[in-house]
Amino acid sequence: KNEVEQSPQNLTAQEGEFITINCSYSVGISALHWLQQHPGGGIVSLFMLSSGKKKHGRLIATINIQEKHSSLHITASHPRDSAVYICAVRSLTTGNQFYFGTGTSLTVIP
Amino acid sequence: NAGVTQTPKFQVLKTGQSMTLQCAQDMNHEYMSWYRQDPGMGLRLIHYSVGAGITDQGEVPNGYNVSRSTTEDFPLRLLSAAPSQTSVYFCASSRDSNYGYTFGSGTRLTVV
Repeated sequence: KNEVEQSPQNLTAQEGEFITINCSYSVGISALHWLQQHPGGGIVSLFMLSSGKKKHGRLIATINIQEKHSSLHITASHPRDSAVYICAVRSLTTGNQFYFGTGTSLTVIP
Repeated sequence: NAGVTQTPKFQVLKTGQSMTLQCAQDMNHEYMSWYRQDPGMGLRLIHYSVGAGITDQGEVPNGYNVSRSTTEDFPLRLLSAAPSQTSVYFCASSRDSNYGYTFGSGTRLTVV
């Protein structure tokens, strides 16, 4: 049983395309994080959300608490966006426990 | 500003050996945590700390010990390594659990 499910698992896009990665979770949460893991293995925190929407450059993250769903959008995708995108949620009941999705592997082709 | 520093980057251990994975941060973050990442599985929380002298177990704590004697350092100890502990380990820190995280570059551990 996975508390966090991401879709799709793998995604290939042409440069310039609009990309959406989805995250659904089954536990009550106090916050949701989107992380980016580069091919070299390093992990970068992109967003932390507890409601609504956040934007940073070409990246947009939204969350719907009632539907237990979040999306990460990339506008005008670029080959440098190729990475694994990971959704993580912080449990509401066990406040310091995090649950992670298995990631979405994105490849953007020039 | 170095961020989160993990050492070593790579390690091979024999079954039964012990070792310590080091994690240090220079951002005065209170919250630090250790994760392991295995193929086909998401990151899993091993142990975490909300401040010096305070540690607690995560999802997969068995076989690992931690301590937090200073704000800066949060070492992870494997007392008797097993092949099941072959994984990539990440340390992360945050101002507190309401903020974004800074991750270390990871330690790839192989137990033979």
